[in-house]
Amino acid sequence: ELKVEQNPLFLSMQEGKNYTIYCNYSTTSDRLYWYRQDPGKSLESLFVLLSNGAVKQEGRLMASLDTKARLSTLHITAAVHDLSATYFCAVAETSGSRLTFGEGTQLTVNP
Amino acid sequence: GAGVSQSPSNKVTEKGKDVELRCDPISGHTALYWYRQSLGQGLEFLIYFQGNSAPDKSGLPSDRFSAERTGGSVSTLTIQRTQQEDSAVYLCASSPRSGPETQYFGPGTRLLVL
Repeated sequence: ELKVEQNPLFLSMQEGKNYTIYCNYSTTSDRLYWYRQDPGKSLESLFVLLSNGAVKQEGRLMASLDTKARLSTLHITAAVHDLSATYFCAVAETSGSRLTFGEGTQLTVNP
Repeated sequence: GAGVSQSPSNKVTEKGKDVELRCDPISGHTALYWYRQSLGQGLEFLIYFQGNSAPDKSGLPSDRFSAERTGGSVSTLTIQRTQQEDSAVYLCASSPRSGPETQYFGPGTRLLVL
């Protein structure tokens, strides 16, 4: 059974600081997704990572994938309040299409 | 273009009643997924459609849950004899096809079983 673990689960940081969210998964996969969820809202797609060594950046967020280590990271650079949300990583098993989600990281950026 | 839409946005029902939740995927998307999100269980996969067939329904928690998709478009998730533990947000997603495509999520239906 595929397991996906994120850490930390809760992150409070100051504006302007950098931090990294980690996503570990338990079985072979070459498809990893990052989503953002604002309170009471649905999931917004941030990144799709499809190969070992893949790196994608959008604004202050950068995601990477190491399939050998079964690890993805979401790096936040110079955080701003607007980044406050819950971030989920999700993994698709190589043979299927269903996504298995991590527990989510609730990020709060304080002024 | 229009995104994934779901209805109703909120549903309150009494224990034991049946409910139907509807999902309209993005036009042209052949793959459709149902997930649910609850405080205790996080985000869980329920069922996946490719066209009108469901190659993976392994996430349905009991035989009270069923889903269908007609015309390769709209899908309905039915919960029979609802229980309080069915209370959750039911999310629908679609993608152009199965595989590595991004799954685009709808706004969800918030179900409360009293």
